[in-house]
Amino acid sequence: QVQLQQWGAGLLKPSETLSLTCTVYGGSFSDNQWSWIRQPPGKGLEWIGEINHSGNTNYNSALKGRVTISVDTSKNQFSLKLNSVTAADTAVYYCVRGPNPEAHDFDYWDQRTLVTVSS
Amino acid sequence: DVVMTQSPLYLPVTLGQPASISCRSSQSLVHSDGNTYLNWFQQSPGQSPRRLIYKISNRDSGVPDRFSGSGSGTDFTLKISRVEAEDVGVYYCMQGTQWYTFGQGTKLEIK
Repeated sequence: QVQLQQWGAGLLKPSETLSLTCTVYGGSFSDNQWSWIRQPPGKGLEWIGEINHSGNTNYNSALKGRVTISVDTSKNQFSLKLNSVTAADTAVYYCVRGPNPEAHDFDYWDQRTLVTVSS
Repeated sequence: DVVMTQSPLYLPVTLGQPASISCRSSQSLVHSDGNTYLNWFQQSPGQSPRRLIYKISNRDSGVPDRFSGSGSGTDFTLKISRVEAEDVGVYYCMQGTQWYTFGQGTKLEIK
């Protein structure tokens, strides 16, 4: 069974950098892609970006320039950094497995982690 | 970007009755490899999303057979044959043909 667990600061001030790390337990870390997805309060889901075990990344064009996803295969971890945050970045952030090659979607999600940006 | 539009956004349903959610994409979701990457997720209250259906009509492991998906091209539908109390939540369609975008969500409640 695959489990994902993330941690990071839950309260940020505008202009600070959001930083989250996700550890993967179970399954094969190297055989999968890993993504970050977010959900502003009361709103829908937005894919942020993806990474594989080699460190190859793709990002949502709407966030490109502010986002960096990195990987540490020795620890089965991947991380998200989002620069210059504003209130619009307040959201629940999910680390997820995927996209998978069969269905181009996301089959394992971690528990909800709310990040609030407020002065 | 591919825009996904769901309707209705709010769906009150009586227990035991069927329910249907529509999802339309701003462009065809047929990928160059011939597959159509249209998926459905369920988000129960206070929970993370759970994959229900992938590639239009394939139910994920453990998903009850009262859930079914259909459609092609730009028009897709999720149907629940007989709604149960545990089906309450928000349902999202998601396309994986051209990057990844989600619909706005449809909130299903029991009347």
